[in-house]
Amino acid sequence: NAGVTQTPKFRVLKTGQSMTLLCAQDMNHEYMYWYRQDPGMGLRLIHYSVGEGTTAKGEVPDGYNVSRLKKQNFLLGLESAAPSQTSVYFCASVGHLNQPQHFGDGTRLSIL
Amino acid sequence: AQKITQTQPGMFVQEKEAVTLDCTYDTSDQSYGLFWYKQPSSGEMIFLIYQGSYDEQNATEGRYSLNFQKARKSANLVISASQLGDSAMYFCAMKTTDSWGKLQFGAGTQVVVTP
Repeated sequence: NAGVTQTPKFRVLKTGQSMTLLCAQDMNHEYMYWYRQDPGMGLRLIHYSVGEGTTAKGEVPDGYNVSRLKKQNFLLGLESAAPSQTSVYFCASVGHLNQPQHFGDGTRLSIL
Repeated sequence: AQKITQTQPGMFVQEKEAVTLDCTYDTSDQSYGLFWYKQPSSGEMIFLIYQGSYDEQNATEGRYSLNFQKARKSANLVISASQLGDSAMYFCAMKTTDSWGKLQFGAGTQVVVTP
């Protein structure tokens, strides 16, 4: 029963490098989300998807891109990493909007 | 704009005692949902309890209950009979019906349970 799986769990990047975070869910959920968590703050929404092939901007989308080519996967990309993007990233999914979101274990990303 | 406020950055509570975590929200929508999540030091987000805006009764899940006061726009979490394993960060979050399930989170309350 994997649920929501995020890879990698940890990563250190240099400023200007690019990378992709992968979120995979095996619950056939329609809706998927990417959040970031910074110290002293709650989670903030970066981007989200309401179905395969769709994406939309959340509260803090700048510097990130996303893609949802397959229903089970939601990718978060950083094209040119900046120190301000040092954070813990959480992916979540839900099947019906009146149910709680299932979260992955997070990806801790440090940008030097 | 919607907003979630958790005014208690941190709390200490003795084992076996009850603790109330405050959460107030601001929305002009009539239909919305309120969630509480627990984040232990290991980092994962664990769903605890949900309250819908039209639910007539306060939600309960085991030792967790939600004190929902709609007119005051508050949704406080009550943990009864605290255990050492309850030490964690607790987040209140809200979604509205037309928000595609997007959650707005509060800043969280750090709870430390002492023996």
